[in-house]
Amino acid sequence: DQQVKQNSPSLSVQEGRISILNCDYTNSMFDYFLWYKKYPAEGPTFLISISSIKDKNEDGRFTVFLNKSAKHLSLHIVPSQPGDSAVYFCAASAEGAQKLVFGQGTRLTINP
Amino acid sequence: ETGVTQTPRHLVMGMTNKKSLKCEQHLGHNAMYWYKQSAKKPLELMFVYNFKEQTENNSVPSRFSPECPNSSHLFLHLHTLQPEDSALYLCASSQGLFVRRAGGETQYFGPGTRLLVL
Repeated sequence: DQQVKQNSPSLSVQEGRISILNCDYTNSMFDYFLWYKKYPAEGPTFLISISSIKDKNEDGRFTVFLNKSAKHLSLHIVPSQPGDSAVYFCAASAEGAQKLVFGQGTRLTINP
Repeated sequence: ETGVTQTPRHLVMGMTNKKSLKCEQHLGHNAMYWYKQSAKKPLELMFVYNFKEQTENNSVPSRFSPECPNSSHLFLHLHTLQPEDSALYLCASSQGLFVRRAGGETQYFGPGTRLLVL
């Protein structure tokens, strides 16, 4: 049973517009969430995270929103740039757990 | 060298071969991880090591055998693999077991080894 789901395998957005990537989770014990970005032929790199005590965390063009009641988080990128084209993974963990649970990723393509 | 490195980057092997994947981290971290990424599937955690001791084996078949001689090096020994084992194998490291710091950064990943089993 997949505990972290990214239901959109791909997303295409015009340069300069907002990109919204979504992630749903089922485990109510998850209390820390992360987004990773992966370019081809490279490993995933950490992008931004959020603790369950918050509902929003912002870092430059990237903002993560957490809706605990809906068990849903989203990553907003604005304005989107061509260099943002990559696969984005959502991940979650529970307090005391030593592992991250990843979603299957969403491929974002930014069109000029 | 900085960060997390993995060798080889690509590997083709037959089902009767024995091969090893190598991971090295230059970050002074104490925890290391092996993940498997199959097409259109989430990253799957395989093994966790902390201070050279294995702390998690995520029900991985015995044809995958990890080795962690020290906190900087991690190996994955492969033998009698199946075609469905073809995947991207990623190594990662972290300062401790899922350290949550103010910046939130946790695991640092290597570029991966793309494995094809024929």
